[in-house]
Amino acid sequence: AQRVTQPEKLLSVFKGAPVELKCNYSYSGSPELFWYVQYSRQRLQLLLRHISRESIKGFTADLNKGETSFHLKKPFAQEEDSAMYYCALDGGSQGNLIFGKGTKLSVKP
Amino acid sequence: DAGITQSPRHKVTETGTPVTLRCHQTENHRYMYWYRQDPGHGLRLIHYSYGVKDTDKGEVSDGYSVSRSKTEDFLLTLESATSSQTSVYFCASRFGRDGYTFGSGTRLTVV
Repeated sequence: AQRVTQPEKLLSVFKGAPVELKCNYSYSGSPELFWYVQYSRQRLQLLLRHISRESIKGFTADLNKGETSFHLKKPFAQEEDSAMYYCALDGGSQGNLIFGKGTKLSVKP
Repeated sequence: DAGITQSPRHKVTETGTPVTLRCHQTENHRYMYWYRQDPGHGLRLIHYSYGVKDTDKGEVSDGYSVSRSKTEDFLLTLESATSSQTSVYFCASRFGRDGYTFGSGTRLTVV
């Protein structure tokens, strides 16, 4: 079954510390993966997708097919990074994304 | 960007009443989706549409129906609202294999 797992509900770090938000997936084909961010009470926004290999707001994510992971990383967290982060898998036959349950990142001053 | 808008933004309704939420997009996207967002559950797909009059169920479709009479509009109806349908509802649209564009959400409270 296609599934996305984000094992941490809450991740709390201090400003300037490295941050890694974990995402593991289950998918039989060649996956397309995304990270979305949702700032407080706002709409979800696309942060990055693995195919584009971009770095947005200092975040990067590498697809590791061997470990079926797509962890989101940033070397130096900022307070404005505090938000809810969702990992998503493009696994639906009609183009629907399958979302993990999300990780709330809190960056303390 | 306001390529996709949802209305209303907030609604309080009574148990047993029908409720319709509207999603309007100006992107000419073929695919549209309705999700609900609940703490501890993330986003769960309710219904989706892959074209005008073409819709299908998602994982939590019970108690919900949808309609898409025009490319730009995707309506979600709660036929008889229950307290378990208190949630934040997000609409999204998609072009091809790009990521979603999300609406701002509708916060629905059923009392």
